[in-house]
Amino acid sequence: AQTVTQSQPEMSVQEAETVTLSCTYDTSESDYYLFWYKQPPSRQMILVIRQEAYKQQNATENRFSVNFQKAAKSFSLKISDSQLGDAAMYFCAYRDSGGSNYKLTFGKGTLLTVNP
Amino acid sequence: DTGVSQNPRHKITKRGQNVTFRCDPISEHNRLYWYRQTLGQGPEFLTYFQNEAQLEKSRLLSDRFSAERPKGSFSTLEIQRTEQGDSAMYLCASSFVNEQFFGPGTRLTVL
Repeated sequence: AQTVTQSQPEMSVQEAETVTLSCTYDTSESDYYLFWYKQPPSRQMILVIRQEAYKQQNATENRFSVNFQKAAKSFSLKISDSQLGDAAMYFCAYRDSGGSNYKLTFGKGTLLTVNP
Repeated sequence: DTGVSQNPRHKITKRGQNVTFRCDPISEHNRLYWYRQTLGQGPEFLTYFQNEAQLEKSRLLSDRFSAERPKGSFSTLEIQRTEQGDSAMYLCASSFVNEQFFGPGTRLTVL
């Protein structure tokens, strides 16, 4: 079974600075998807960024970028120019690319605090 | 379209009672998922529908849990004879291809 590990329960960053959230995963599959989701307090989860395992190029979405190391099974999220609105719980998630069930396997999350 | 909606947002019940939650997915999405999230944990997969067919159920989904998606539209999740361990946030998500869109969740408290 696939597992996702987020080793940082909490992280903090100063506004306008850069922070990196870590994620490792375990799978025997060669093709899969990885995601970072953001869950603000009392609000619904939204997708931040997605990475296809077959793509060597790291995904980027505005201030958010990933460092995908397939051999190391590592998928970290970098947030540049942090803003107060980035404060949230961040979840790393894995999904097989094959089969008919696209269920997500999540890590336990990292609570990000942004200090003004 | 305003996204995935879930009702009720909060439910408090006494142990042994039955509860039912509803999820309305984004209208063109054919896939619908239920997840459970307990405090300090990431969401855990419960069950999955493609259109009206329930294609997979997690081992977490005991016999007291049942889910339906009549006509491939909205879905309901029923928990019979609730236990305190059922207290959690129940999340619904829908998708058409790759990205799953989540609803706000139903927070269940079993007293």
